[in-house]
Amino acid sequence: DGGITQSPKYLFRKEGQNVTLSCEQNLNHDAMYWYRQDPGQGLRLIYYSQIVNDFQKGDIAEGYSVSREKKESFPLTVTSAQKNPTAFYLCASSRGLVERDRSFYTFGSGTRLTVV
Amino acid sequence: KQEVTQIPAALSVPEGENLVLNCSFTDSAIYNLQWFRQDPGKGLTSLLLIQSSQREQTSGRLNASLDKSSGRSTLYIAASQPGDSATYLCAVSGSGAGSYQLTFGKGTKLSVIP
Repeated sequence: DGGITQSPKYLFRKEGQNVTLSCEQNLNHDAMYWYRQDPGQGLRLIYYSQIVNDFQKGDIAEGYSVSREKKESFPLTVTSAQKNPTAFYLCASSRGLVERDRSFYTFGSGTRLTVV
Repeated sequence: KQEVTQIPAALSVPEGENLVLNCSFTDSAIYNLQWFRQDPGKGLTSLLLIQSSQREQTSGRLNASLDKSSGRSTLYIAASQPGDSATYLCAVSGSGAGSYQLTFGKGTKLSVIP
């Protein structure tokens, strides 16, 4: 079955540590996204990537970094510069670069990150 | 900047009742609007997508309408079931370069009581 796999499901980070969240898709989608969700809040875009080796900042990119070395993979690193990283992180993908194809999103099951 | 508001924030209804969830957005220059479902601790599942040129979309017991000029959408759920209990999120995408970004509302948490 095609889909998006996020790992790990739960992640605990100590103060000052960098952690990397994994996102892999086998849908052959060109575009991939990272969103952050806080309790009672809507999703907010952190970064997105349209094609391999290219990515763009979203609304809340500070304290995060990404890479897109392969079409199927879009890992997110939460750095120590992110002051409030405890949240639910969702990865998504959409097919194609044509505007109408961007609308069809597939989401992963999420990673819950907690700072301890 | 686009803002999306969903009302009510939470809703509790008895099984079998028909219900309406509301979504409003501030900038009518959208490319499309989508309704998603999110179960606790899970990712999002797309329910319905309405292109800006469309007025409504239907899937089973779900019907979503779009009034782009007034910046409003509704999600109608017929004959609600306990399995419909979840958080429902509304999201809009802009045109051109903005179409890569979905702007989400905070969601409506629905509880259907058996």
